[in-house]
Amino acid sequence: GQQVMQIPQYQHVQEGEDFTTYCNSSTTLSNIQWYKQRPGGHPVFLIQLVKSGEVKKQKRLTFQFGEAKKNSSLHITATQTTDVGTYFCAFGYSSASKIIFGSGTRLSIRP
Amino acid sequence: DTGVSQDPRHKITKRGQNVTFRCDPISEHNRLYWYRQTLGQGPEFLTYFQNEAQLEKSRLLSDRFSAERPKGSFSTLEIQRTEQGDSAMYLCASTLATGGNGYTFGSGTRLTVV
Repeated sequence: GQQVMQIPQYQHVQEGEDFTTYCNSSTTLSNIQWYKQRPGGHPVFLIQLVKSGEVKKQKRLTFQFGEAKKNSSLHITATQTTDVGTYFCAFGYSSASKIIFGSGTRLSIRP
Repeated sequence: DTGVSQDPRHKITKRGQNVTFRCDPISEHNRLYWYRQTLGQGPEFLTYFQNEAQLEKSRLLSDRFSAERPKGSFSTLEIQRTEQGDSAMYLCASTLATGGNGYTFGSGTRLTVV
């Protein structure tokens, strides 16, 4: 079946520390998207990765798509309190299909 | 407002009653999705439309759930004979079929079945 694992489930860091969440699939993905959901909010699109080995940056956020298109990561450098929320990967098996969400990584930050 | 709108924001209903939710997507988006999210979980896919055609429905979705998008614009999701297990946040999202820009989600409808 379609299986993607997202780890860790929770991460509690000191403000200023780095944070990384990982998604791993048992099968090759067409694309992967990343979303952020603030507490009490709805998912907000961050980025889409399509190409093997792709790396994209948004300010302090770095997104990677593995060479085999089976894994992806989101890395936040020097976390700030505004980074608090749950980060979801969401993947598609074809460009025309729906996306399936991972279980998310909840980030909390000690000021 | 150019975002995705959902109505109502909250719905409390008694078990066994029928409920209907509405979603108004971004006007130029031709794809519309319904997801369900429970506390601590990621959104779970329910169904999606391209224009007025319902292209896929989750196998996890019972026959009590039905969705429509009659004119390819707004969509409704109906749950018949609600059960306590239906309590969740129901999220609607829209996007362009050409992709690349991700999904735009609405604020959701929180359903509580008592």
